[in-house]
Amino acid sequence: EAGVAQSPRYKIIEKRQSVAFWCNPISGHATLYWYQQILGQGPKLLIQFQNNGVVDDSQLPKDRFSAERLKGVDSTLKIQPAKLEDSAVYLCASSLDQSIYGLVWPQHFGDGTRLSIL
Amino acid sequence: DAKTTQPNSMESNEEEPVHLPCNHSTISGTDYIHWYRQLPSQGPEYVIHGLTSNVNNRMASLAIAEDRKSSTLILHRATLRDAAVYYCILKTYNAGNMLTFGGGTRLMVKP
Repeated sequence: EAGVAQSPRYKIIEKRQSVAFWCNPISGHATLYWYQQILGQGPKLLIQFQNNGVVDDSQLPKDRFSAERLKGVDSTLKIQPAKLEDSAVYLCASSLDQSIYGLVWPQHFGDGTRLSIL
Repeated sequence: DAKTTQPNSMESNEEEPVHLPCNHSTISGTDYIHWYRQLPSQGPEYVIHGLTSNVNNRMASLAIAEDRKSSTLILHRATLRDAAVYYCILKTYNAGNMLTFGGGTRLMVKP
């Protein structure tokens, strides 16, 4: 099966500019996640979608970050305006429906977008 | 979710078994133990998970202590491709599936 696709692979912008990342999950996966991974640290969840609804966005800096998942498939994550501390790898992951109580599905990750802020 | 403790780094020789430890003394009865690994310049990859009994799959084995306060990921024959950061994560048995990653263990494999 095809994996989680992310683009672009790399992005370099100046602070205060805007940037957007795109994610195409594995076909049939209802749950989609965006993580931020700062160099030397483990990934940190930013937002979780179940189909096209938000399940958890408690760690998303909503003053500058936004995300959407129209039609419950592809998703975009946007940063506007970017700050120096946003330099990180942004990872998208998907899994089968996590809303079904008692089932533990693995998450499948893309290779991420490496964002550098100058 | 309860916290896990892992060594920062470990070394292994190629083709030898590797035992990666994880302590989770505050684990609750509904916490699953998950292991993911992250190869250089790639996203994390699911390895294995378990609740109480030892688990085996094509990638690794998971040995869970009887009191569940610790677990060990076992790679039976390390290869150079197994060099990665290995994360031990506890996940409560409920509808949410957020993973809380710690710092993990960086495994280095020597030829």
